[in-house]
Amino acid sequence: AQSVTQPDIHITVSEGASLELRCNYSYGATPYLFWYVQSPGQGLQLLLKYFSGDTLVQGIKGFEAEFKRSQSSFNLRKPSVHWSDAAEYFCAVVPNTGGFKTIFGAGTRLFVKA
Amino acid sequence: DTAVSQTPKYLVTQMGNDKSIKCEQNLGHDTMYWYKQDSKKFLKIMFSYNNKELIINETVPNRFSPKSPDKAHLNLHINSLELGDSAVYFCASSQGTSVADTQYFGPGTRLTVL
Repeated sequence: AQSVTQPDIHITVSEGASLELRCNYSYGATPYLFWYVQSPGQGLQLLLKYFSGDTLVQGIKGFEAEFKRSQSSFNLRKPSVHWSDAAEYFCAVVPNTGGFKTIFGAGTRLFVKA
Repeated sequence: DTAVSQTPKYLVTQMGNDKSIKCEQNLGHDTMYWYKQDSKKFLKIMFSYNNKELIINETVPNRFSPKSPDKAHLNLHINSLELGDSAVYFCASSQGTSVADTQYFGPGTRLTVL
């Protein structure tokens, strides 16, 4: 079945440590790939997106993501986490079928400890 | 200035009541959306309008009726509210229907049905 999966419900990292959030997708053709962040009590904000080309994508707030076709993954990374990064992170896809409907993963909650 | 605004921010009501949530965007976008985020943070699209025309209508009970009086507004009316309607409802907008068009989300409306 077609799906987008975020294996980790929550992750805790220390401030200043590196971060990697996992995302895997299951679609026949590589979908368009996105990462969004939702701060507490706020709406979602787009961090970055991948359509084609360079498989390492830079986004806002110091985030980057790497597309790996062989692993059907699009993991989000940040070299040094700040306390303000504590939020819910959503991986999302738009299937490459001509539509534009966004399908979201279940989210990963990031906790940052001092 | 808030790009995508929603009113009210919180809504507490009894089962069986009818309620509306309003959304306005001042970005000049042509496309607007309603999403529902359940208690497990799962986010799913409900409706989308482009130039006041309905273009996405997911499997949503017909108690939910979106209305777009103009391109800048997309309201959501819910009849005969049920306990399962309790969720956070997000409005979003984008320039158009291209997958490349970034979606901008409102802050959400937390609906609690008692």
